Amino acid sequence: DARVTQTPRHKVTEMGQEVTMRCQPILGHNTVFWYRQTMMQGLELLAYFRNRAPLDDSGMPKDRFSAEMPDATLATLKIQPSEPRDSAVYFCASGLGGMDSNTGELFFGEGSRLTVL
Amino acid sequence: QKEVEQDPGPLSVPEGAIVSLNCTYSNSAFQYFMWYRQYSRKGPELLMYTYSSGNKEDGRFTAQVDKSSKYISLFIRDSQPSDSATYLCAMSAGDYKLSFGAGTTVTVRA
Repeated sequence: DARVTQTPRHKVTEMGQEVTMRCQPILGHNTVFWYRQTMMQGLELLAYFRNRAPLDDSGMPKDRFSAEMPDATLATLKIQPSEPRDSAVYFCASGLGGMDSNTGELFFGEGSRLTVL
Repeated sequence: QKEVEQDPGPLSVPEGAIVSLNCTYSNSAFQYFMWYRQYSRKGPELLMYTYSSGNKEDGRFTAQVDKSSKYISLFIRDSQPSDSATYLCAMSAGDYKLSFGAGTTVTVRA
């Protein structure tokens, strides 16, 4: 049963601490997305990778967020330093896409619920 | 004004009723239309996928797209308590960005 796996599922930390979230996309998928979901803003795109190359991270606060894909089976999202306003559920999603296209058939992980005190 | 508008509800219906959900959008470049279902504390899962205008049926679910009106709908027939979830519409112009609606929370009462 192919699925996107995210860790940790829950994280409570204090303001100023570093947080790293990890994602294992579905094997064979070449596009990976990081989304953030809050009640106020809904689902927001943070970053997007195609074939491990970062193509768009315009949705991320650059001074504190970073996203990487060290290999095809691992994507990471790091927040340093974390702030209370970063409290949200962070979703990783993967899919298959062409050179510059994505039809939207994304498969989401179960999310990492982050609380920053 | 948001690119995709969706009434967040909540919507409460008795078991067996027809659930009607809809979204409007402003970007005429959208050509791929999706409905995702999200159970509490879970990730969204793709429920229905439609390219361009028309209807698509899958079991108890029917998705409709009217590009001329920039309006999409999802109907759930013979609703079950297990259909209780948040339903998000999403659309794409074929590039990598999905635009999501806010989601409508549906409760089906037994």
